[in-house]
Amino acid sequence: AQSVAQPEDQVNVAEGNPLTVKCTYSVSGNPYLFWYVQYPNRGLQFLLKYITGDNLVKGSYGFEAEFNKSQTSFHLKKPSALVSDSALYFCAVRDTNAGKSTFGDGTTLTVKP
Amino acid sequence: DAGVIQSPRHEVTEMGQEVTLRCKPISGHNSLFWYRQTMMRGLELLIYFNNNVPIDDSGMPEDRFSAKMPNASFSTLKIQPSEPRDSAVYFCASSLQTGLGYTFGSGTRLTVV
Repeated sequence: AQSVAQPEDQVNVAEGNPLTVKCTYSVSGNPYLFWYVQYPNRGLQFLLKYITGDNLVKGSYGFEAEFNKSQTSFHLKKPSALVSDSALYFCAVRDTNAGKSTFGDGTTLTVKP
Repeated sequence: DAGVIQSPRHEVTEMGQEVTLRCKPISGHNSLFWYRQTMMRGLELLIYFNNNVPIDDSGMPEDRFSAKMPNASFSTLKIQPSEPRDSAVYFCASSLQTGLGYTFGSGTRLTVV
């Protein structure tokens, strides 16, 4: 079985400050990990993925995520938040033996000026 | 590529009517997913296809829901008869292989009155 948890429903940060959106996962095999962003009235957009290799993955819009196998985490980070980063963020995981991804419940990020 | 194309963007219908949602995946993608998103339940996977074959329909809420994928470039999600509790945003997504990053459509906002 595979599962993913986003422990925070909401994250609030000030513009220019670093942001972190947390994600932990559980799989029986090796994980494929993903982050997606959803802006209001839009579909989800792919941000970045970890398949194998370097634990630090860089994605779109200056976002990055670090795969930590011992902590089973894949937190999303950005060094300096923008107001335009305000959106709903989803973490997703797929076990290499599974046929589909499992999505978290989402975290609403609000960046205030 | 124009991305995943869903139609209609908005649908308002009366309770008891049949509703058909349509999806054109990205050319060459061999996996297609139907999701439903509501405030109460978040993002739910309804069904997914691999190479036009339904693989997992365990998320389809009731027999009133049915999905087809007659060919690699087209899928439908049908609700018959529709009920007010079916009101949600329905997303279609496709991927090149099951489990790698998904590309989502813009969604169909369904309102059943």
